[in-house]
Amino acid sequence: DQQVKQNSPSLSVQEGRISILNCDYTNSMFDYFLWYKKYPAEGPTFLISISSIKDKNEDGRFTVFLNKSAKHLSLHIVPSQPGDSAVYFCAASAFYNTDKLIFGTGTRLQVFP
Amino acid sequence: SQTIHQWPATLVQPVGSPLSLECTVEGTSNPNLYWYRQAAGRGLQLLFYSVGIGQISSEVPQNLSASRPQDRQFILSSKKLLLSDSGFYLCAWSDEGTETQYFGPGTRLLVL
Repeated sequence: DQQVKQNSPSLSVQEGRISILNCDYTNSMFDYFLWYKKYPAEGPTFLISISSIKDKNEDGRFTVFLNKSAKHLSLHIVPSQPGDSAVYFCAASAFYNTDKLIFGTGTRLQVFP
Repeated sequence: SQTIHQWPATLVQPVGSPLSLECTVEGTSNPNLYWYRQAAGRGLQLLFYSVGIGQISSEVPQNLSASRPQDRQFILSSKKLLLSDSGFYLCAWSDEGTETQYFGPGTRLLVL
């Protein structure tokens, strides 16, 4: 049972445009969400997170939006750069087990010139 | 600042051989430690996590085991590797009670 889903395995965006990566979850107990970026043969790096008490969090070119009623979050990257080309994972944790993250299957973003 | 190390970076092992992957964290005390596996075309699967020395929680039944002999050391082991154990193994740490985990560089394991 996949509690965190990233239904788009890949996304291709032109440099300078907006990249929107989506993530859906099924567990209504999730209250903290994170995005990680992963290059091939490297460990994931933490990008940005959001608590369920917020619906938006922004950090430079990265903004995460949370729609609790739809159990949906998205990561916006504006403007997209070639160095953003990587696999992006969303992850979630529940208030009763903050030590454990549930990851989605990832979306491969390719930013082309 | 905190750093996390994993070794080896790459490992090629025959089926039936033993395995030992090591992970160490510097710059923090009493971290939570995690082992994940990323199989080809799949997401990150949590294998084990530990909230303290000698405390190991297993997430999926499998051919692997984990140990935490010291506060900042986490070891992933197997007595006999299977072909299906091939994958990219990631160690991660987090501060106790916080959600954000920080990952090591990973170990690519190929079982032949």
